Parts: sequence; C-alpha cells; structure tokens
Amino acid sequence: QKEVEQDPGPLSVPEGAIVSLNCTYSNSAFQYFMWYRQYSRKGPELLMYTYSSGNKEDGRFTAQVDKSSKYISLFIRDSQPSDSATYLCAMRRDAGNMLTFGGGTRLMVKP
Amino acid sequence: NAGVMQNPRHLVRRRGQEARLRCSPMKGHSHVYWYRQLPEEGLKFMVYLQKENIIDESGMPKERFSAEFPKEGPSILRIQQVVRGDSAAYFCASSLLQGRENIQYFGAGTRLSVL
Repeated sequence: QKEVEQDPGPLSVPEGAIVSLNCTYSNSAFQYFMWYRQYSRKGPELLMYTYSSGNKEDGRFTAQVDKSSKYISLFIRDSQPSDSATYLCAMRRDAGNMLTFGGGTRLMVKP
Repeated sequence: NAGVMQNPRHLVRRRGQEARLRCSPMKGHSHVYWYRQLPEEGLKFMVYLQKENIIDESGMPKERFSAEFPKEGPSILRIQQVVRGDSAAYFCASSLLQGRENIQYFGAGTRLSVL
C-alpha cells in the first residue's frame, strides 16, 4: 500500500464548477501538507502549503487538512480551462526533508 | 529568471552511456533535492544535498547513481551506464530554510530517454 493515495482521474468538469481534489495517507507522522499543480511536461508549481490540521484559503483555492482522518483536500472555486493540469498532493514529516507525493489527479476543465 | 534552473531539458542516451543532469537552485537557496518521476507515477525522492554535503540519499539507487553539490556551481545528478529503466523525468527542487519553513520550489525537469 502506498503511503499517499490519490485518485488518478481524469476528472472532467465544466467551466465555473467547484472542483474537489483529495488525498489520503497512512503515516500519522506527516505534519506539512502541500498541493502542487503540474502542467504537461512542466515542473510542479506550489499552490498551497499548510501545517497540521485546518483550512487555508488563497484566492480561488482552499486547502483542508483533517489529520484525525488522514485526509486532505483542495477545492478550486470558479474553475477555469487554465486550471486543467495534474494536481499533486505532497507531505512531509516534522523532522524530515523529503516530500512524499501522491500519484496526481488529472483535471480537465471544459469551456 | 530567479527560479530553479535545470539543464538540459531533454537528454537522449544509449544504454551504457553516462547521463549528467544539472540544477542551479533559486538565488540564495542552499538546499537541493532531486526527485524522479516515472511515466504515470508521482514524484519519488532521491537525494537531499547542501553545499558540499549529501544529507540524505535514502531514495537513490546504490549503484550507478551519484549526486554532488559543490561549493561553486550547480548540483549534478550523475547516472552511469544508463539502462532503459532510467528513462524518466528528473526534477530538482530547492529551499531556503529547513524545518517548518522548508518550502521546496521545483525546476522544469530533465527528461531522460534511454535508447
């Protein structure tokens, strides 16, 4: 079993929809949680960075962390065709340096 | 461009040749990380380096792979005697700080194809 599980999709939504992306994990030592966006044949771009449980909002993006359920989410409001990409969740232990990634969810926002 | 710079963007090697991948971190960053992304898979940690030191190489294969981050110049990931299974995208990330403020920024990657 992988440490971080993420539905690969693809997830197809119409423009303007609210998108919900999720990851589950098994290692309770993870303390820092990130979401990266990766366009085809490009490098991952950091979207959200959160510590421990709770919510964080930045523009159209909201990240949620529920450590009791080992479950994290990224919500995208008013989705745009330019949001079409692969979204990667990543996690890190408190004392660690390496990031552990999910496999990524491919999102397609149709005009 | 103050981002993480990787070169070359694409690298083609025949089996048995050597591959050298270079990474220049963001300005002021002294922590460098290498990750590998196989087709249809997520990124996997390989190695973490600071200037002139390898801090954590737990994700790097014991044979044929090596990494360095010299006092001057870019970090280098070196793969000797490449095999077809080494074909992947290799990403470098850098961070300014450690601990809670360890936020890693990624380069555009080097796509290695082994013929």
